[in-house]
Amino acid sequence: SQTIHQWPATLVQPVGSPLSLECTVEGTSNPNLYWYRQAAGRGLQLLFYSVGIGQISSEVPQNLSASRPQDRQFILSSKKLLLSDSGFYLCASRHTGYQNTEAFFGQGTRLTVV
Amino acid sequence: QKEVEQDPGPLSVPEGAIVSLNCTYSNSAFQYFMWYRQYSRKGPELLMYTYSSGNKEDGRFTAQVDKSSKYISLFIRDSQPSDSATYLCAMSARKDSSYKLIFGSGTRLLVRP
Repeated sequence: SQTIHQWPATLVQPVGSPLSLECTVEGTSNPNLYWYRQAAGRGLQLLFYSVGIGQISSEVPQNLSASRPQDRQFILSSKKLLLSDSGFYLCASRHTGYQNTEAFFGQGTRLTVV
Repeated sequence: QKEVEQDPGPLSVPEGAIVSLNCTYSNSAFQYFMWYRQYSRKGPELLMYTYSSGNKEDGRFTAQVDKSSKYISLFIRDSQPSDSATYLCAMSARKDSSYKLIFGSGTRLLVRP
């Protein structure tokens, strides 16, 4: 199975500061990669997904951006954080074969913007 | 209307009870169905994965899919306090090459000793 590494686990950033969250994947090649955000007590909102290097699709307009510089690396960024960017950010990976399309998640980054 | 609906709970049961967790969906193209368990401040962990209608059993867990009713269920037998967590259903469409997973909002389960 796949292993998803996310860091840092927790982050406190001031409003207006930049953000960079990194996700790397082991155990698969050419996966589909996803960034989700989870607000307290709520479900997962899909932010971005990528089907290959340099290919990024955005699901919702927001203050964030994503990049995929390598096959198994996915980065979530912001130039200037807003209070509303606080939340629990999760990276997920999914094999793109015909079968076995389960998604595996990292342990998440809890971001607090102050 | 959300694509996937899930009762947020919380659902409180005594240890040893049978738990039933459910989701309904509106997109008839969904063909892959998953259940995740999420402990507080952790990433979701895959519990069950099904493709097609019917039942799938794994230990104390049974996943059930009824495509005609657009309804999926997760049953937990002999529930334990360690089962206390939030359970998320997720699904995706086979024809969607992005393989996007759409999640329910999660049901919080508490199993009382």
